[in-house]
Amino acid sequence: GQQLNQSPQSMFIQEGEDVSMNCTSSSIFNTWLWYKQDPGEGPVLLIALYKAGELTSNGRLTAQFGITRKDSFLNISASIPSDVGIYFCAGRLAGGSEKLVFGKGMKLTVNP
Amino acid sequence: EPEVTQTPSHQVTQMGQEVILRCVPISNHLYFYWYRQILGQKVEFLVSFYNNEISEKSEIFDDQFSVERPDGSNFTLKIRSTKLEDSAMYFCASGTSVVETQYFGPGTRLLVL
Repeated sequence: GQQLNQSPQSMFIQEGEDVSMNCTSSSIFNTWLWYKQDPGEGPVLLIALYKAGELTSNGRLTAQFGITRKDSFLNISASIPSDVGIYFCAGRLAGGSEKLVFGKGMKLTVNP
Repeated sequence: EPEVTQTPSHQVTQMGQEVILRCVPISNHLYFYWYRQILGQKVEFLVSFYNNEISEKSEIFDDQFSVERPDGSNFTLKIRSTKLEDSAMYFCASGTSVVETQYFGPGTRLLVL
């Protein structure tokens, strides 16, 4: 129903490499948000997407709202050690719901 | 930059005890939320609150839970009789409108023994 499938679940990369992650669902979303969470901390907003097809960048981060409104991806270019953390996608379902539905997260490890 | 703040950062309680988790949302925000995250799992929605009323709640938010905005700045989550399975990180979030971004606080880690 309202599940978000986030993949991959984890990635181990070398500093300087690019990384991509995505979230898919069988449900339609009005908003996609990407958050980063460090251990013991709250989710910190990275990018917000509000329109189908929207492509938005924030420094080395780029995210897109899928045209079908059922998916979104996040790319990180030229990774650095401080990119380490857990990345969550979150979406607000079409139909007026206020709640955010979260993916299970992707744990990123960057080797210097 | 304005932030959502939460207190306490950690709370340990005995099963059956009442706990109150406190949040100060960003000052010009009107929409308030509680989420929880059981260790190692995804963040789950509990409740949304607007205009001094609950506007949406999940099946997790049963009669043991309540929310309140006791004054112009605080937003609280009360768990009346805690259970072991209530152990989790509890996050408060706030936003300017129902369609805009939700900004999260640092969380309260609740441990029920």
